[in-house]
Amino acid sequence: ETGVTQSPTHLIKTRGQQVTLRCSSQSGHNTVSWYQQALGQGPQFIFQYYREEENGRGNFPPRFSGLQFPNYSSELNVNALELDDSAMYLCASSTKTINEKLFFGSGTQLSVL
Amino acid sequence: KNEVEQSPQNLTAQEGEFITINCSYSVGISALHWLQQHPGGGIVSLFMLSSGKKKHGRLIATINIQEKHSSLHITASHPRDSAVYICAVSEAGTASKLTFGTGTRLQVTL
Repeated sequence: ETGVTQSPTHLIKTRGQQVTLRCSSQSGHNTVSWYQQALGQGPQFIFQYYREEENGRGNFPPRFSGLQFPNYSSELNVNALELDDSAMYLCASSTKTINEKLFFGSGTQLSVL
Repeated sequence: KNEVEQSPQNLTAQEGEFITINCSYSVGISALHWLQQHPGGGIVSLFMLSSGKKKHGRLIATINIQEKHSSLHITASHPRDSAVYICAVSEAGTASKLTFGTGTRLQVTL
């Protein structure tokens, strides 16, 4: 049990729709990172938030956006869903932005039809 | 070529065997993570290291910064060790980005 919870666990959307995924960080963690994991692949870094500000971004288009709230919970929003967005989305929280042990949630499995 | 390469991709071992999983990377790093992922998606952080060696129970992780190589060892393997083991690196100068290998799928049989 990592203390990081994600919701929902599973989600089915159709192409063109918008989706919001949520992550509740472990208590005391002010940094959250989001990752996309396609089937059979390693996770890909989407972005990181530190104290409500974006603190680094991977190679994902602007339709992937995020928010971090004052209580350090976080959202990942994806607009104009595409079939290739079907994947597991993982969040991980930590107390520092780098070189710190990460605590992962169990993920949200998104299917885009 | 991926920046983080793991070998082997798949590994089957009998209970009690000593297991080694290797990770090589091509970029400068500030730290390397070993992660364990069970079916269903949950990822657990096993180690974070930037030099030398760390040990936790039956798990040992080593890193050689000069050779850009790390190994994860499991002693006296057990079926509950069956999982995907993922190596990930924090690239130097990129602050937050983690780059992951594709993982090693380990199956330990009785």
